[in-house]
Amino acid sequence: DGGITQSPKYLFRKEGQNVTLSCEQNLNHDAMYWYRQDPGQGLRLIYYSQIVNDFQKGDIAEGYSVSREKKESFPLTVTSAQKNPTAFYLCASSTDYGTGEQFFGPGTRLTVL
Amino acid sequence: SQQGEEDPQALSIQEGENATMNCSYKTSINNLQWYRQNSGRGLVHLILIRSNEREKHSGRLRVTLDTSKKSSSLLITASRAADTASYFCATDVDDKIIFGKGTRLHILP
Repeated sequence: DGGITQSPKYLFRKEGQNVTLSCEQNLNHDAMYWYRQDPGQGLRLIYYSQIVNDFQKGDIAEGYSVSREKKESFPLTVTSAQKNPTAFYLCASSTDYGTGEQFFGPGTRLTVL
Repeated sequence: SQQGEEDPQALSIQEGENATMNCSYKTSINNLQWYRQNSGRGLVHLILIRSNEREKHSGRLRVTLDTSKKSSSLLITASRAADTASYFCATDVDDKIIFGKGTRLHILP
């Protein structure tokens, strides 16, 4: 089965700690994205990658970092510099970068204690 | 400011009724997409309509696009309990997709 997976589903972190969220896809997609969703809100773009070894900041990149060393993987690190990290994080991928259909993972809910 | 805004913010209807939600946007687009999100889950792509199309169908879904009014509507016919979800429109701005805040649809038994 092709798809996009995120782990873990729930994550708890103490203030001041960095944490890395996993995103893996086996759809052979070039483009991958990270979004943040807050209650009752739409999705806001954190980072995106058009191709392996390349990534770009989205609208709310401060306090986050990413890497794209493999086509299948696009991990997101939430650093201690992120002032309000508690949120629902969604990873997505698409065939290539653009404005076409995106495929989403199930999400990771991060709670900072 | 939001590129795409859904209306209403929330909608409750009886099972079997039709549900209509709307999306208005500000700038010209190449395409508009609708996604569904069940509570606590990822988004699922429903339909994409291009700027030169006026209407598209997919099963019980009907999407219209009026570029002169900068608006789109999503109609779900013969609603079912499983249609309870949030529905988002997504429009392309500067080669990126921008999501609205969504319409929360609740189907009453």
